[in-house]
Amino acid sequence: QSALTQPASVSGSPGQSITISCTGTSSDVGGYNYVSWYQQHPGKVPKLMIYDVINRPSGVSNRFSGSKSGNTASLTISGLQAEDEADYYCSSYTSSLTRVFGGGTKVTVL
Amino acid sequence: EVQLVQSGGGLVQPGGSLRLSCAVSGFTFSSFWMHWVRQAPGKGLVWVSRISGDGSSTSYADSVKGRFTISRDNAKNTLYLQMNSLKGEDTAVYYCGRGVPDYWGQGTLVTVSS
Repeated sequence: QSALTQPASVSGSPGQSITISCTGTSSDVGGYNYVSWYQQHPGKVPKLMIYDVINRPSGVSNRFSGSKSGNTASLTISGLQAEDEADYYCSSYTSSLTRVFGGGTKVTVL
Repeated sequence: EVQLVQSGGGLVQPGGSLRLSCAVSGFTFSSFWMHWVRQAPGKGLVWVSRISGDGSSTSYADSVKGRFTISRDNAKNTLYLQMNSLKGEDTAVYYCGRGVPDYWGQGTLVTVSS
């Protein structure tokens, strides 16, 4: 049950687009379309931003989008805003009938 | 309105036990898989366990297998996590979550220390 691999940090200027990668294996990310992404501000509860690779829950801005290619999933934030500064985590269902999270990515808005 | 309200955290000595609860409302509890996820201080999210809607299927992270037990009482709309043989590395905020998870509880701090 190794954690999915995410970059430790990603930064961008307001209005720019950034992409966070999430790399797993064929036993998790690559094998199922059950990748989700969470946003967590300091001291707050995680918030679901994307589920099943590409779907946005009601109320989540369409500036957030998800995709997957092979064993790597990605979260793109377009039109970066100050409020997007937070930690982001990916998660995937696994062949062991468990779930696994990535190590998290700190997004900084310059 | 979907709500998940947690209780049961606190300070416990190494080797001790603790039971966490997650009382839910606003949705049909028995229709959803439920999860426990934890986050050590200053660290990332770590999946702990999940249980099917009828309670017949469970799975655990290797780090807690054999020590933690997830269960649910659909009549009481409550999810549980029984934690035994606790270790220092179990110190974390524990969250319950519905489904994906999409809705999360407020989190409860478990501190394992002598």
